[in-house]
Amino acid sequence: KQEVTQIPAALSVPEGENLVLNCSFTDSAIYNLQWFRQDPGKGLTSLLLIQSSQREQTSGRLNASLDKSSGRSTLYIAASQPGDSATYLCAVIMIKAAGNKLTFGGGTRVLVKP
Amino acid sequence: DGGITQSPKYLFRKEGQNVTLSCEQNLNHDAMYWYRQDPGQGLRLIYYSQIVNDFQKGDIAEGYSVSREKKESFPLTVTSAQKNPTAFYLCASSVQGAFEAFFGQGTRLTVV
Repeated sequence: KQEVTQIPAALSVPEGENLVLNCSFTDSAIYNLQWFRQDPGKGLTSLLLIQSSQREQTSGRLNASLDKSSGRSTLYIAASQPGDSATYLCAVIMIKAAGNKLTFGGGTRVLVKP
Repeated sequence: DGGITQSPKYLFRKEGQNVTLSCEQNLNHDAMYWYRQDPGQGLRLIYYSQIVNDFQKGDIAEGYSVSREKKESFPLTVTSAQKNPTAFYLCASSVQGAFEAFFGQGTRLTVV
């Protein structure tokens, strides 16, 4: 059974510092990996999708890498801002998984201090 | 605007009542999903549907029911058999191919 872990569970950094968020998964037979942002009491906003054949994806200040062989993905957020404060979740879809279900990590809660 | 709409945003249920959460999407996605989110437990899959008139149980389907009569709609009913329904419920849909998932804004259900 696929298990997805995000460590640390919470992170606090001063404004301007780069953020590094980790996601690990136990079964490397993934179809893709997706990073989401969640603000308190809100739904999930898709940030980046990395397909299994890709090594990384970039969008503005965000960069996500994927290493299937080691079961790891890392989300980098450059020059953090207070508006980046949120919970960040990663999720994987398994190859040939019935229904293409996402398996989520527990999330990393980020606080960027002004 | 294209997207996923969940309603209501807040819902209160009395003991023994059934309640239905609405999820509508205009993204023309075939697949739709319901997740439950509890503090400290992440998201858990309740039900999913890959096509109209078909749906499958997820990891925590007991006490819930769904229907998929139209492509754009996937309502979730929380029945009286669900003993601990207080949670945040999220609906999602995904497109075939890349299977990128998109989420609604959620419904917070509270038992009173």
